[in-house]
Amino acid sequence: EVQLVESGGGLVQPGRSLRLSCTASGFTFGDYAMSWFRQAPGKGLEWVGFIRSKAYGGTIEYAASVKGRFTISRDDSKSIAYLQMNSLKIEDTAVYYCARGRLNLDYWGQGTLVTVSS
Amino acid sequence: DVVMTQSPLSLPVTLGQPASISCRSSQSLVYSDGNTYLNWFQQRPGHSPRRLIYKVSNRDSGVPDRFSGSGSGTDFTLKISRVEAEDVGVYYCMQGTHWPFTFGPGTKVDIK
Repeated sequence: EVQLVESGGGLVQPGRSLRLSCTASGFTFGDYAMSWFRQAPGKGLEWVGFIRSKAYGGTIEYAASVKGRFTISRDDSKSIAYLQMNSLKIEDTAVYYCARGRLNLDYWGQGTLVTVSS
Repeated sequence: DVVMTQSPLSLPVTLGQPASISCRSSQSLVYSDGNTYLNWFQQRPGHSPRRLIYKVSNRDSGVPDRFSGSGSGTDFTLKISRVEAEDVGVYYCMQGTHWPFTFGPGTKVDIK
C-alpha cells in the first residue's frame, strides 16, 4: 500500500527556518518525482514545487512565491523527500502536502501544518 | 501563469441529482506531446486532496463511474451523474501543461 507521511510542521517565528519531511512507503521511491503543495487556512491549493527522479536528472522546479527561500531535496536510500523552508513569512502559514509524481499526483500525504507567527 | 477559473464556486445539489462543474484555462492545455494535462481533484472536509480524473477524462482506480470528465483545449467539465452524500467537498481542476502548474479556485459541493 502506498503511503506518504509528512512531518516536521509546527509553530515558527517569521524569518526562521523549518524542514519538512515526506516519508514514503509501498513503492519504489527513486522511480518517482515528488511534489510539494500547500493550502493556507480556508484557501485553495498551491503548488510549491517538485523534484524529478534521478533518472530524469533530479532537477527541481519552484513556484515563484518560494523560489530562493525553499529548497526541495530527496534521499532515495531513505525514501524521504524534504522541503527546507528558510526566511519564513506569515503568508507561508499553511498545511503542506507531499504527493507522488509531477503530473501523476495519484497519492497524497495527510499534510502537516506550518504556522508562522510571532 | 495560466489562470484556471471554475464555475460555479458553490454548488448546492439534491441527493441523486446530477451536478456539473466547469473549468476554463487562460491558454490551451494541449502539450507538445499531444496530451492535455488537466486533472480533477476532490477534497472532502478535513481530508487531503484525492485525484479523481487525469488527462481530462481518465478516471482513477476506485473512483465511482458516476464521475466523468470531458473537454478540450481550454474548456473542461466534471460531471457527477447522481450526487451521493459522500461527494460533499471541494473540487479543483489543475493544469499540468504549463509551468507553474496551477489550480482553479475550487467548487464547493454540498447537499441542499
